[in-house]
Amino acid sequence: DTGVSQDPRHKITKRGQNVTFRCDPISEHNRLYWYRQTLGQGPEFLTYFQNEAQLEKSRLLSDRFSAERPKGSFSTLEIQRTEQGDSAMYLCASRAGQGQETQYFGPGTRLLVL
Amino acid sequence: DAKTTQPPSMDCAEGRAANLPCNHSTISGNEYVYWYRQIHSQGPQYIIHGLKNNETNEMASLIITEDRKSSTLILPHATLRDTAVYYCIVRGSYIPTFGRGTSLIVHP
Repeated sequence: DTGVSQDPRHKITKRGQNVTFRCDPISEHNRLYWYRQTLGQGPEFLTYFQNEAQLEKSRLLSDRFSAERPKGSFSTLEIQRTEQGDSAMYLCASRAGQGQETQYFGPGTRLLVL
Repeated sequence: DAKTTQPPSMDCAEGRAANLPCNHSTISGNEYVYWYRQIHSQGPQYIIHGLKNNETNEMASLIITEDRKSSTLILPHATLRDTAVYYCIVRGSYIPTFGRGTSLIVHP
């Protein structure tokens, strides 16, 4: 399967712990997005990478959140000192370059903070 | 990106056409209309997109009004597996904005 993959698919953690999620985009896609989705809502944009450069961050991305894409391929999203309000589905999407606007989403990582 | 308005929910009988409307009255000339759907506990799946002409692919048809202020996604023969939340997005920038979408329930 050559789609977007995310790992882990599910994560349960205790409040205050750090968690890290990984996203592997479609191999030729140089744009990568992270979204957060809570129950009953559509996905909310968190951050955007073009190759290794983080070009846009939402105000939803507090200083406890950090995302990286060190070699312009896979990306990680880390949440430090997790809070119960961080419980959500974290989605990753990728797309090809200029003129190719269609995003392809991964299956998501469902986070539960106890 | 222009804002979209969709009904929160719809239902459809299996085998019948499902017509999902979307209003985007503030759309500008270079903004495309995109449709995605999200089946429970999965990531959103791309369906179709268009600028001003009607479009059709193996999944659905997209009808855009002449003034481009609204569009309709058509699933010609809905199946139970088409039960999902359908999102209409209008985008001109590189960051699409999702609303709450339309929850479509296809019943036997």
